[in-house]
Amino acid sequence: AQSVTQLGSHVSVSEGALVLLRCNYSSSVPPYLFWYVQYPNQGLQLLLKYTTGATLVKGINGFEAEFKKSETSFHLTKPSAHMSDAAEYFCAVSDLNGANNLFFGTGTRLTVIP
Amino acid sequence: ETGVTQSPTHLIKTRGQQVTLRCSSQSGHNTVSWYQQALGQGPQFIFQYYREEENGRGNFPPRFSGLQFPNYSSELNVNALELDDSALYLCASRLAGDTQYFGPGTRLLVL
Repeated sequence: AQSVTQLGSHVSVSEGALVLLRCNYSSSVPPYLFWYVQYPNQGLQLLLKYTTGATLVKGINGFEAEFKKSETSFHLTKPSAHMSDAAEYFCAVSDLNGANNLFFGTGTRLTVIP
Repeated sequence: ETGVTQSPTHLIKTRGQQVTLRCSSQSGHNTVSWYQQALGQGPQFIFQYYREEENGRGNFPPRFSGLQFPNYSSELNVNALELDDSALYLCASRLAGDTQYFGPGTRLLVL
């Protein structure tokens, strides 16, 4: 069975500071991993995904994530936070080589302090 | 913009009523999934349709049902609404095996 744990329901950073959002997963098969962002009153937008191959994945808006199998982690980072990064972030894992549904974490709300 | 649209954007119903939510998939996508996102939670998988057949279902009762049409648009129907059905309902479309693209959602309030 697949599941995701996001540590920290709320994270606050200063503008220009490093953003680190944590995600740990559980999967009985090689996982496909995703980060989505949700702005207020909107749907989910894909930031990045890991399928196979290179473990450091670069996404949109300067975000990247590293797949660490030994730690069952897929943490999201951005070197320098921008005010426009304030949103809800969801980590998700997919089963069956990404062919089926996504299992989401409970989300992390990122606040950026000017 | 993902090319996935949903209607209506907001809806208010009373307990016991029935509701139909609609999703128009991105062009060429043959698979659609529906998710329920309760307030303060991550989305939860309801079911998935591939070429008009349901081929996966999450832990939701039978009063949650769906349809997918030949043009790959789809519906989510919920009968006998309960207060706990109040949530944001998201649909996501894709080509089978590929990345899911989400619509903006329908926010349902059950009173």
